[in-house]
Amino acid sequence: GQSLEQPSEVTAVEGAIVQINCTYQTSGFYGLSWYQQHDGGAPTFLSYNGLDGLEETGRFSSFLSRSDSYGYLLLQELQMKDSASYFCAVRPAENNAGNMLTFGGGTRLMVKP
Amino acid sequence: DVKVTQSSRYLVKRTGEKVFLECVQDMDHENMFWYRQDPGLGLRLIYFSYDVKMKEKGDIPEGYSVSREKKERFSLILESASTNQTSMYLCASSPPGTGQYFGPGTRLTVT
Repeated sequence: GQSLEQPSEVTAVEGAIVQINCTYQTSGFYGLSWYQQHDGGAPTFLSYNGLDGLEETGRFSSFLSRSDSYGYLLLQELQMKDSASYFCAVRPAENNAGNMLTFGGGTRLMVKP
Repeated sequence: DVKVTQSSRYLVKRTGEKVFLECVQDMDHENMFWYRQDPGLGLRLIYFSYDVKMKEKGDIPEGYSVSREKKERFSLILESASTNQTSMYLCASSPPGTGQYFGPGTRLTVT
């Protein structure tokens, strides 16, 4: 089975850097992805790490270390609009013909002025 | 850009009614999914499909059925709506690998 753990809440100030961690216990998986969800909105796909290492997309970066069963999302130059919930998800390797994902519980990020 | 659309943003139905939620994606993705999201319970997978006419149960399929007659369209059916099916319903699609692309969601209220 799979389980993913994320902090429930993180608070940071505008302009700062914040790291949201995701630790997982899984028997095997293909990759780790991250999603952003604003209140009342739908999740938006942010990034995918199929291999270990860092993936950078503008102000957002995501990192995966399979040996440590750990990943993180890094948000730089925080803006007020980054206040949202962030979910990590793994794509299990077993019996997964359809790219099914297992989601973490989400981290609520609050950016303060 | 990937576009996933859902038939309604808000829907109000009565207990016992049959409810159809439709989802269309325009990126020729093989995989499509239906989730519901409730406060404190996160995203829960109802059903998914990895090809036309193929469907697999997710974590909470009871009370729901699905239909995928065409690659771009995946429908969620509530055969007899109940109040405990009041929720936000999210459709997603994905190619093999990478992440999933979500539609805007349908907030269903069953009275």
